[in-house]
Amino acid sequence: EAQVTQNPRYLITVTGKKLTVTCSQNMNHEYMSWYRQDPGLGLRQIYYSMNVEVTDKGDVPEGYKVSRKEKRNFPLILESPSPNQTSLYFCASSLWGSQPQHFGDGTRLSIL
Amino acid sequence: AQTVTQSQPEMSVQEAETVTLSCTYDTSESDYYLFWYKQPPSRQMILVIRQEAYKQQNATENRFSVNFQKAAKSFSLKISDSQLGDAAMYFCAYRSALWSGGGADGLTFGKGTHLIIQP
Repeated sequence: EAQVTQNPRYLITVTGKKLTVTCSQNMNHEYMSWYRQDPGLGLRQIYYSMNVEVTDKGDVPEGYKVSRKEKRNFPLILESPSPNQTSLYFCASSLWGSQPQHFGDGTRLSIL
Repeated sequence: AQTVTQSQPEMSVQEAETVTLSCTYDTSESDYYLFWYKQPPSRQMILVIRQEAYKQQNATENRFSVNFQKAAKSFSLKISDSQLGDAAMYFCAYRSALWSGGGADGLTFGKGTHLIIQP
C-alpha cells in the first residue's frame, strides 16, 4: 500500500530535549516536505527536499533541521524544542514538486 | 509570494443539499496548480480535487466540482448531494508550476473552512 508513515503520532516532551520525528514513504517519490498546522493559520511549510542530499527552507524553518540521506526518509529534527513548536506536523511526498502531495497521518507534538 | 484566502471560516449545509466553498488567491504567475484538500476529524489530509491553471475546463470528481475563474483568481469548490461524511475542514492550496529551486517551494494553504453537515 502506498503511504507516508510518520512516527511518533503523539509526543509530549519538555523544553530543550532533542527530538526527531521520522517520515518514510514507499512510493519512490523525489519530493518530500514538512508542514506544521496551527489553529487559524492553516498549514505552513517548514522544509522541503527535491532529492537526496538536497534540502531547502520553507516559510517557517527556524528551530528545525532536516536531512535527506536516502530517498525514502526525511526526518524532522528539533534540536532544542520550545513551547512555540507545539503543533500538528505533517510530512508529505510527491513524485515531483508540482504533483499532488500524499500526506502522512500527522504527529501531534506538545512541548512543555 | 502567493497568498490563498478562504473567507468562510465555517459553513453549514443540510444533508443532500449543495454547498459552495470559496477560495481566492493572489499570484503574478501564469502557470500553477490549485488543490482542495479535506481534513476530517481523523486529521488526515485527503486530496479532493486538482486543477491545472492552463486548463480552462473545470475539474470534477464525482460529487465535487470546481469553478475556476483564472482572471478573477477564484477557485471555489462545489459539493453536491452533501453527505454526513463530507463534514471536515477544507483547505484550498496553491502550488507554482515553476521549479524555483530556492525559497519556500511547497503548497501555500488557505486557513480553511469548517464544513458542518446538518442531518
